[in-house]
Amino acid sequence: NAGVTQTPKFQVLKTGQSMTLQCAQDMNHEYMSWYRQDPGMGLRLIHYSVGAGITDQGEVPNGYNVSRSTTEDFPLRLLSAAPSQTSVYFCASSYLQGVKTEAFFGQGTRLTVV
Amino acid sequence: AQSVTQPDIHITVSEGASLELRCNYSYGATPYLFWYVQSPGQGLQLLLKYFSGDTLVQGIKGFEAEFKRSQSSFNLRKPSVHWSDAAEYFCAVGAGGNEKLTFGTGTRLTIIP
Repeated sequence: NAGVTQTPKFQVLKTGQSMTLQCAQDMNHEYMSWYRQDPGMGLRLIHYSVGAGITDQGEVPNGYNVSRSTTEDFPLRLLSAAPSQTSVYFCASSYLQGVKTEAFFGQGTRLTVV
Repeated sequence: AQSVTQPDIHITVSEGASLELRCNYSYGATPYLFWYVQSPGQGLQLLLKYFSGDTLVQGIKGFEAEFKRSQSSFNLRKPSVHWSDAAEYFCAVGAGGNEKLTFGTGTRLTIIP
């Protein structure tokens, strides 16, 4: 049982480059979310989705784009990377068809923008 | 808006001693509350959760937490810490499907022999 899988684990980008962080879950969870973790700030919500075709902004959405075409996948796109986006990114999934669940997290993607 | 405060940035405890990590939350209704642990370079592991019912919640690795509505607190406790408990601990509050968690800033736990 893989749970939540994030790829890549590490990435270095140059300022202005774009990239997509991948997230997939195999638990048939309806809800998926992206967080960023910065020292001393805990985790902050970037975007979330309550089902295929439905996404919404979290606390820190600027510079990021998401889409949800399937229940399993929730990619996060950096449109034009900036040094301020250097962070560790976590994807999470939760909620199984009317059953409350905690959020299950992936192992994270460590992104450095130079 | 919901918020979580973890007032202790860093705590040092001797191995075998008891531990209490503080968490205070702000939320308009009955919250869902969580404690996660993160070892260096790793993801987040759920220690315990509170959705409703018994206010004393047991978790993994010998941890427990007590929900106190009157104090808006959800403190994490362990009677005797082990060196392997050294990590960062995050308290979080959620609602609904828990797709929008609000985290505290974390407490880093150091264990000394």
